[in-house]
Amino acid sequence: AQTVTQSQPEMSVQEAETVTLSCTYDTSENNYYLFWYKQPPSRQMILVIRQEAYKQQNATENRFSVNFQKAAKSFSLKISDSQLGDTAMYFCAFRVDSNYQLIWGAGTKLIIKP
Amino acid sequence: NAGVTQTPKFQVLKTGQSMTLQCAQDMNHNSMYWYRQDPGMGLRLIYYSASEGTTDKGEVPNGYNVSRLNKREFSLRLESAAPSQTSVYFCASSEWTASTDTQYFGPGTRLTVL
Repeated sequence: AQTVTQSQPEMSVQEAETVTLSCTYDTSENNYYLFWYKQPPSRQMILVIRQEAYKQQNATENRFSVNFQKAAKSFSLKISDSQLGDTAMYFCAFRVDSNYQLIWGAGTKLIIKP
Repeated sequence: NAGVTQTPKFQVLKTGQSMTLQCAQDMNHNSMYWYRQDPGMGLRLIYYSASEGTTDKGEVPNGYNVSRLNKREFSLRLESAAPSQTSVYFCASSEWTASTDTQYFGPGTRLTVL
């Protein structure tokens, strides 16, 4: 079975600090795509970053970057210079190349303190 | 450009009542999805439509039906609501190309079944 595990139910850091959210996944497929989505209190799901498994280079989007370790099946999200607006639930998800379905983790609640 | 819209935003039903959740997207995407989100869990796929005229079951289809009315609209129907269907429902859409398959989400519908 394909699964996604986010081992940190909740984290909090001070504004401007760097924080890393963990995600591990399990699949026997070789081609797949990994995602981090953000869900602020408004409930809107927003894509943060996307990574193709065949790419060795880690994806970055401004203050957001990932550490993708394919052999370890690990896909962590690093947020640099954290801001109050980063407070949200963060979900890790992946899908295999042959399937439309996204498999989701249970989420990590991130609180940025002023 | 409204993106993905959902109606209603909130709904309270009594056990056994029926209702239809509406979803529309204006991004000309081929694929559309219905998810449910329960506390402490990631999103679970109910149904999806890879293209106009096709629908497929996801992870948790029991108790639901869908209609892909046209390319823009994808509705979710609860024929006989049960308390176990109390959840937040999200509609999403995506376009599959060689470089992207990002799913864009609506704002969600919070449904309570008494």
